[in-house]
Amino acid sequence: DGGITQSPKYLFRKEGQNVTLSCEQNLNHDAMYWYRQDPGQGLRLIYYSQIVNDFQKGDIAEGYSVSREKKESFPLTVTSAQKNPTAFYLCASRFSGREYNEQFFGPGTRLTVL
Amino acid sequence: GNSVTQMEGPVTLSEEAFLTINCTYTATGYPSLFWYVQYPGEGLQLLLKATKADDKGSNKGFEATYRKETTSFHLEKGSVQVSDSAVYFCALRTSYDKVIFGPGTSLSVIP
Repeated sequence: DGGITQSPKYLFRKEGQNVTLSCEQNLNHDAMYWYRQDPGQGLRLIYYSQIVNDFQKGDIAEGYSVSREKKESFPLTVTSAQKNPTAFYLCASRFSGREYNEQFFGPGTRLTVL
Repeated sequence: GNSVTQMEGPVTLSEEAFLTINCTYTATGYPSLFWYVQYPGEGLQLLLKATKADDKGSNKGFEATYRKETTSFHLEKGSVQVSDSAVYFCALRTSYDKVIFGPGTSLSVIP
C-alpha cells in the first residue's frame, strides 16, 4: 500500500540535543512538507521541498533543518537552537503542478523535550 | 495576505444532530479549498475539496460549497455520529506551493 510513514511515533529528547525525525513516502510525490502542531492550534509550515536537492523555509524554520537527497525521503532535524521543540510534527506530500492536488499526511511524531 | 478563519470550538452535539462548521477565507486569485479531519493522535486526512466557485465537495455525508461571493466554504453534515468526533481543518491553496490552514474546530458528538 502506498503512503507516508513517520518514525518514531514518540520521541524524547534532552535539552541541548539534536534529533532527526524521519519521513518516507512511496507515493511518487515530488513535493514534501513539514508542519508543526501545538495543542489546540492549527498547523504551521516549517520547511517544504518541491524537488530533490531543493527546499524552502516555511513560516517557522528557525531552529530546524532539512535535507532532500532522495525523492521519497525528507528528514527533519530539530536542533538545540529551537527554543520550544515540544510539539506534534506532521509530514505531508503531494503531486505538485496542480493547485487542487491535496496533501497526504503521515501519522505524525510527538516530540517531547525533557 | 492569505488567511483562513474558522468558527471557534469546541463544538458539542448530540448524535444525529445537524452540523455546520463555518469557514471563511481571504485570498488573491482563485484558491482551491479543502476540509481535512484529524482523529486523536493521528495525522490529517482529506475529507473533501472544491477547486472552483460553486463546486460542491462531498464525502462520507459531509458537504461544503465553494462560495466566492461570500468567500466561504462551510462544512455541513445532516446527521452526525459519535465516530465523527475529531478536529476539522479548513484550508486553502493558492498558486504558490503553500497551504494555509485554519486553526481547527474540535467536534465532540455524544450518544
